[in-house]
Amino acid sequence: DTAVSQTPKYLVTQMGNDKSIKCEQNLGHDTMYWYKQDSKKFLKIMFSYNNKELIINETVPNRFSPKSPDKAHLNLHINSLELGDSAVYFCASSQGSTLYGYTFGSGTRLTVV
Amino acid sequence: GQNIDQPTEMTATEGAIVQINCTYQTSGFNGLFWYQQHAGEAPTFLSYNVLDGLEEKGRFSSFLSRSKGYSYLLLKELQMKDSASYLCAVRGKDSWGKLQFGAGTQVVVTP
Repeated sequence: DTAVSQTPKYLVTQMGNDKSIKCEQNLGHDTMYWYKQDSKKFLKIMFSYNNKELIINETVPNRFSPKSPDKAHLNLHINSLELGDSAVYFCASSQGSTLYGYTFGSGTRLTVV
Repeated sequence: GQNIDQPTEMTATEGAIVQINCTYQTSGFNGLFWYQQHAGEAPTFLSYNVLDGLEEKGRFSSFLSRSKGYSYLLLKELQMKDSASYLCAVRGKDSWGKLQFGAGTQVVVTP
C-alpha cells in the first residue's frame, strides 16, 4: 500500500487552464503539506494543513488554492496556469512536529505549455 | 528566515567516503534533517539531529553543531546506488513542522 499517493503523476496543460492535483495519505498522520520543486531542484513549502485547518500559507499566488476535505486528503487547485508554474509538486505528511520529518508522495510533474 | 547552504555537486569513487557539509542560519532551531532524492523520485528520510553530536545509522552518519550552525552527512563504503541528491533541511521553532530545504548536493559515484 502506498503511504502518500498523488495523482496524476504527470500533467501537461496549456497556459490559462485550471487543474487539480490530488493527494491522499493512509498513515494516519494529522499534518499534510504541499511543496514545489523547481528546475534547480529547490524544494519550497507552499501550504500545510493540520487536522483540515490551514496552518502554513507561504507567499504563493492566490491562483493556488489548497483544499483539505479530511485529514487524509489535501488537494491543490491551480487557476489560470502560467509557464512559471511548471515544476514538480510534492505532497507530504507528518504526525505533528515529528522527529522523522515527512513522508513524501512520488510527486506530480506539471508542464505548462 | 533561514539560509541553508550546501555544495552543489560532489564526485567520489565506489567504496570511498564522502562528507556533505551543510551550514544554516535560522531565527530558531528545532532539528536538522537529511533526505536522499534519486532522480525523478520523492525525497526519503535519512537522518535527524536535534542535539549536538554524531548519529550513526549503518553506512550513513550525521553530525550537528548548533553553536556553529553546521551539519554534515557522512556516506561510507559508497555504492553506485548512492548516486543521488542529498538534501539538508532545517525546522525552525516557530513552525508547525515546516522544513526549509537547502538546494541539495548531487553526489556522483563513479566505478
